[in-house]
Amino acid sequence: EVQLLESGGGLVQPGGSLRLSCAASGFPFSSYAMSWVRQAPGKGLEWVSGISGSGVSTYYADSVKGRFTVSRDNSKNTLFLQMNSLRVEDTAVYYCTKVWRQQMERVFFDYWGQGTPVTVSS
Amino acid sequence: EIVMTQSPATLSVSPGERATLSCRASQSVSNNLAWYQQKPGQAPRLLIYGSSTRATGIPVRFSGSGSGTEFTLTISSLQSEDFAVYYCQQYNNWPPETFGRGTKVEIK
Repeated sequence: EVQLLESGGGLVQPGGSLRLSCAASGFPFSSYAMSWVRQAPGKGLEWVSGISGSGVSTYYADSVKGRFTVSRDNSKNTLFLQMNSLRVEDTAVYYCTKVWRQQMERVFFDYWGQGTPVTVSS
Repeated sequence: EIVMTQSPATLSVSPGERATLSCRASQSVSNNLAWYQQKPGQAPRLLIYGSSTRATGIPVRFSGSGSGTEFTLTISSLQSEDFAVYYCQQYNNWPPETFGRGTKVEIK
């Protein structure tokens, strides 16, 4: 059974940093790309970032490019999202998602974690 | 960036009735279209990919159709557990993979 367990969310001031983690199990982690998708309160879904199974290729939404960094540790089956220079508009629930293939090309998200909330406020 | 437009925003349906949800892309996405279901307080769940292929464990009452710019999700006979928000997502032009704003299916 695929399981994705996010952690690391919380309350942070504008300009601050947070590091999200996602512990994965139930599938060969390094064989699949992974992504982060967020949902602002009462809003829809927004793809944030993705990383290939090997970790070599990374991708970002324009809204977070230069501020967020996605990475993975395949030896520990863990995905990360380092979020710097946080803004009020980054407030959202952040979902860790498994991608259906190894590369971040034409992907949909076949499994989702329960999400970790991030609140950016002074 | 491809814009996905879902309609209606809210759909009121009685249990046992058929529900038809629409999703339109601002340019062709071929059949690279997925549908997700999200219940309150829960994470989204993949229902359909490739426009019409049901994901693992999804009941046959859920069906998808369409290609190019026009897509439809049909729930043939609504069950109580189907009242939720449904999102479409294109994955033909990336990044970014883009989602529609959702259709809420509520009890009539």
